[in-house]
Amino acid sequence: AQSVTQLDSHVSVSEGTPVLLRCNYSSSYSPSLFWYVQHPNKGLQLLLKYTSAATLVKGINGFEAEFKKSETSFHLTKPSAHMSDAAEYFCVVSEFTGRRALTFGSGTRLQVQP
Amino acid sequence: DGGITQSPKYLFRKEGQNVTLSCEQNLNHDAMYWYRQDPGQGLRLIYYSQIVNDFQKGDIAEGYSVSREKKESFPLTVTSAQKNPTAFYLCASRGRENSNQPQHFGDGTRLSIL
Repeated sequence: AQSVTQLDSHVSVSEGTPVLLRCNYSSSYSPSLFWYVQHPNKGLQLLLKYTSAATLVKGINGFEAEFKKSETSFHLTKPSAHMSDAAEYFCVVSEFTGRRALTFGSGTRLQVQP
Repeated sequence: DGGITQSPKYLFRKEGQNVTLSCEQNLNHDAMYWYRQDPGQGLRLIYYSQIVNDFQKGDIAEGYSVSREKKESFPLTVTSAQKNPTAFYLCASRGRENSNQPQHFGDGTRLSIL
């Protein structure tokens, strides 16, 4: 069975400083992993995805994530936060098998201070 | 542009009333999903459909019903049996269920009780 844990429910950073949102996963198979962003009263937008190619994945809006199998982690980073990055972020794990392949983390709310 | 359209954006339900939320996609995706999101919480799966004329219960199906008569459409009915329907409802789709493809999301419907 697969699971995903987002280690922080809230993260607050100052504009222009680095962002780190942490995600750990558990999977019996080689998973695919995704990060989504959700702005208030909106749907989820795909930021990036890992599907067993390069372990360092670059996404939209300057975000990137590194897949570390030994640590079962897929942390999301950005070198310099912008005010528009304030949103909710979800880590998602997907396996090829099983009745339902996608599992969502509980989300991390990112606050960006001016 | 291809995408997922949810309507209406806001919906109000009276006591004892059934209401139906619309979800239409023009991405030619086989799999479609309905999620419920409560304030400060992640997404919980209500129903999903892997193919036309087939659907399965998710984690919180009680008080909800769906149909999948057309590939493009996956409407969700919130019945009077759902005692706490106030939430943000998100529809999603992806190419097929058991794959490494990400989900695409609509912009959601916010349901409230009168």
